[in-house]
Amino acid sequence: ETGVTQSPTHLIKTRGQQVTLRCSSQSGHNTVSWYQQALGQGPQFIFQYYREEENGRGNFPPRFSGLQFPNYSSELNVNALELDDSALYLCASSWTGGPSYNEQFFGPGTRLTVL
Amino acid sequence: AQSVTQPDIHITVSEGASLELRCNYSYGATPYLFWYVQSPGQGLQLLLKYFSGDTLVQGIKGFEAEFKRSQSSFNLRKPSVHWSDAAEYFCAVGDQYGGATNKLIFGTGTLLAVQP
Repeated sequence: ETGVTQSPTHLIKTRGQQVTLRCSSQSGHNTVSWYQQALGQGPQFIFQYYREEENGRGNFPPRFSGLQFPNYSSELNVNALELDDSALYLCASSWTGGPSYNEQFFGPGTRLTVL
Repeated sequence: AQSVTQPDIHITVSEGASLELRCNYSYGATPYLFWYVQSPGQGLQLLLKYFSGDTLVQGIKGFEAEFKRSQSSFNLRKPSVHWSDAAEYFCAVGDQYGGATNKLIFGTGTLLAVQP
């Protein structure tokens, strides 16, 4: 069973640029969630993708967008980067289906630095 | 609104001493509760989870946690801390509302330091 993978590991960008982060979900999972973890903080929910559509969003502006592909992998795109976007971006996959809660499995994260 | 509070930002314990990390939650239904550990520069590793049933749950690395509904708490414990336990610990509640399924609401974390 393959776990959640993310790429790249680290990334440095300058203000105003755009960035794309990638996530491959764990085998058998159909849902991907993205979280932002600023330094010294807990992860904050950005949004979730299920069946290739956004399925819930946290308190993040529209310049944060995403995609989910038929193989359930996902991308997080951030436009017009700001200094405060510097953070660890975590991807988590899970299975959506049935009545019960299904836990999320996290990837190692992408460290984004905005200069 | 759903939330998780970890009152202790930073805790230092001696190696071999017992440990308790506090977590309080605010949630309008039966909570799904989690503890995660994060080593510097790493992702999140699940230590344990509570979905239902026995309120004392066992996890990996010798950790356990007790769910107390009356106190809205889910404290993490370990009887004897090892130097390798130094890390940041996050408590989280699973949220089924607001559109997204299975999303997590995290506390701000407790940074654990272990003295030799």
